[in-house]
Amino acid sequence: GAVVSQHPSWVICKSGTSVKIECRSLDFQATTMFWYRQFPKQSLMLMATSNEGSKATYEQGVEKDKFLINHASLTLSTLTVTSAHPEDSSFYICSAPPSGGSGNTIYFGEGSWLTVV
Amino acid sequence: DAKTTQPPSMDCAEGRAANLPCNHSTISGNEYVYWYRQIHSQGPQYIIHGLKNNETNEMASLIITEDRKSSTLILPHATLRDTAVYYCIVRVAGGNQGGKLIFGQGTELSVKP
Repeated sequence: GAVVSQHPSWVICKSGTSVKIECRSLDFQATTMFWYRQFPKQSLMLMATSNEGSKATYEQGVEKDKFLINHASLTLSTLTVTSAHPEDSSFYICSAPPSGGSGNTIYFGEGSWLTVV
Repeated sequence: DAKTTQPPSMDCAEGRAANLPCNHSTISGNEYVYWYRQIHSQGPQYIIHGLKNNETNEMASLIITEDRKSSTLILPHATLRDTAVYYCIVRVAGGNQGGKLIFGQGTELSVKP
């Protein structure tokens, strides 16, 4: 079946640096992808909608300059956490609905653990 | 905000059916109900989804009430590996947002020996 892959699975970075997380749809095209963040013992919180060929749409309270999203192709979206701080440490997850149809299965990536030290 | 409400936790005996309820009283006519589960430190795993009719696959059955205001996920023979947080989600319909899944708090299912 369709698969969504994230890379890296986990990353440790120093405060003040930037880190990029990739989300790929492996055998289908996705004009839209979604990025979520999850803190321990909490539910997933939608951060933004990544749109191929146009700007991302951010949810209220999410800083667009902090979390840069680029949807470079129909199979790849990237999330860059800029000037990372310890409070940005979290589990980041992407999802990708196959293009076409509102009743399609939506797949999630395996998630990426970010630790900022 | 999530359009669903679920009990925060449930227990189930191994080998028995697990019935997880979900209320979605404000669901629109073209919005689907999706179920996912999440095991600690992993991405959500798709289980099943439906619009009006009951659905069944190799993992579970989904029973949607006639008025579509609630649904039940049934795991017919729960195993210890089914212990997870289960999310019932109403999918936003249409356009670029048609894939947007807003997660509620889910139900933490504990399958016990």
